[in-house]
Amino acid sequence: EVVMTQSPATLSVSPGERATLSCRASQSVSTNLAWYQQKPGQAPRLLMYAASRRASGIPARFSGSGSVTEFTLTISSLQSEDFAVYYCQQYNNWPLYTFGQGTKLEIK
Amino acid sequence: VQLLESGGGLVQSGGSLRLSCAASGFIFSNYAMNWVRQAPGKGLEWVSTISDSGGSTYYADSVKGRFTISRDTSKNTLYLQMNSLRAEDTALYYCAKDNEDSGFTYGYDYWGQGTLVTVSS
Repeated sequence: EVVMTQSPATLSVSPGERATLSCRASQSVSTNLAWYQQKPGQAPRLLMYAASRRASGIPARFSGSGSVTEFTLTISSLQSEDFAVYYCQQYNNWPLYTFGQGTKLEIK
Repeated sequence: VQLLESGGGLVQSGGSLRLSCAASGFIFSNYAMNWVRQAPGKGLEWVSTISDSGGSTYYADSVKGRFTISRDTSKNTLYLQMNSLRAEDTALYYCAKDNEDSGFTYGYDYWGQGTLVTVSS
């Protein structure tokens, strides 16, 4: 099983600033990585896939990078609606996908 | 696209439940479908997947032998039969659609709102 590790567990950032979230895979997943956003009481929403491709309707302030085992989600200028929990997911071996434990992005 | 789960509830340890997920807004038979769960205050855990045809099914080790995924294309509905339930199965259960394009999948592009399963010990 591929273990996904996200860091930090909690990130405190002020509105308008940049946020950088990390995700590491225990073995290579190439660029088969997705990011999801989850707000309280809501289902997860797909943000990014193939490590760097934005899903439909996702604002350009969200960007993803990385490959193999190291990945980053960057939010360039935080808006109030961006404060949420973010999960990475590897889908390198369909359908045995695994998620990271999540990073909570909170207002500083 | 809409995914609407139902069938959750409170059940005693060792009991059974059947979850349903009614799908609309896309050609249901063209996509693999999944169940993902989230224990209270915890992260996301993949539970099970069924292929677009229904001919192949996959399970997490934690539920293998106890849960059965199935689909009814005539009703555009996904199911999860859960037997021998344990306290650790307590979670919000989501159904999710494969984000498939040109024969390759890229995670899950649509999720339902979830149905809560509580197993009392």
